[in-house]
Amino acid sequence: DTGVSQDPRHKITKRGQNVTFRCDPISEHNRLYWYRQTLGQGPEFLTYFQNEAQLEKSRLLSDRFSAERPKGSFSTLEIQRTEQGDSAMYLCASSTGTSGFEQYFGPGTRLTVT
Amino acid sequence: GDSVTQMEGPVTLSEEAFLTINCTYTATGYPSLFWYVQYPGEGLQLLLKATKADDKGSNKGFEATYRKETTSFHLEKGSVQVSDSAVYFCARDNTDKLIFGTGTRLQVFP
Repeated sequence: DTGVSQDPRHKITKRGQNVTFRCDPISEHNRLYWYRQTLGQGPEFLTYFQNEAQLEKSRLLSDRFSAERPKGSFSTLEIQRTEQGDSAMYLCASSTGTSGFEQYFGPGTRLTVT
Repeated sequence: GDSVTQMEGPVTLSEEAFLTINCTYTATGYPSLFWYVQYPGEGLQLLLKATKADDKGSNKGFEATYRKETTSFHLEKGSVQVSDSAVYFCARDNTDKLIFGTGTRLQVFP
């Protein structure tokens, strides 16, 4: 068990560009979550998958954001036409979905939009 | 909507001091409660959890008791170490997602 991994760890992009992040969950975990964390705040929920099905999306997830988990394993989060307000740490977590909803987090991808 | 409120930091303590970080949550439903810790330069790690009223979660000398009557889940440690310096997040679940507080930074000095 190598834990949740995310790639890249850091991304600097210019406003208006598209970016894509990848998350590899713990192998036996069927639930995968995306959160966003801004400086001085706690993580905020964006969306989650059970296997390949995207079951919930936050109102924070504008039309410029899209997430996929095509084979029920890794997931990608794409942001189109990035804005400076998208600058944040994007966190991925996974769980087995059992009681207590214990989620295991990856190291995050820090996005800076210039 | 559901929310979690934590005491603001930073909390600054000397080594071996007693620690309390307050956390309260909105009481809709029957949530599970969590404390996560984020060490400098690292990702969030689950520290402890409690899934029902009066449960006590504990790990690495930290404890928190699920108090339904006061909707609280305060984090305590009897004797902190410099290595405990980190940001601590209280969270509750809401259906299938976690709702976090804003975090409390703990700084422990030798």
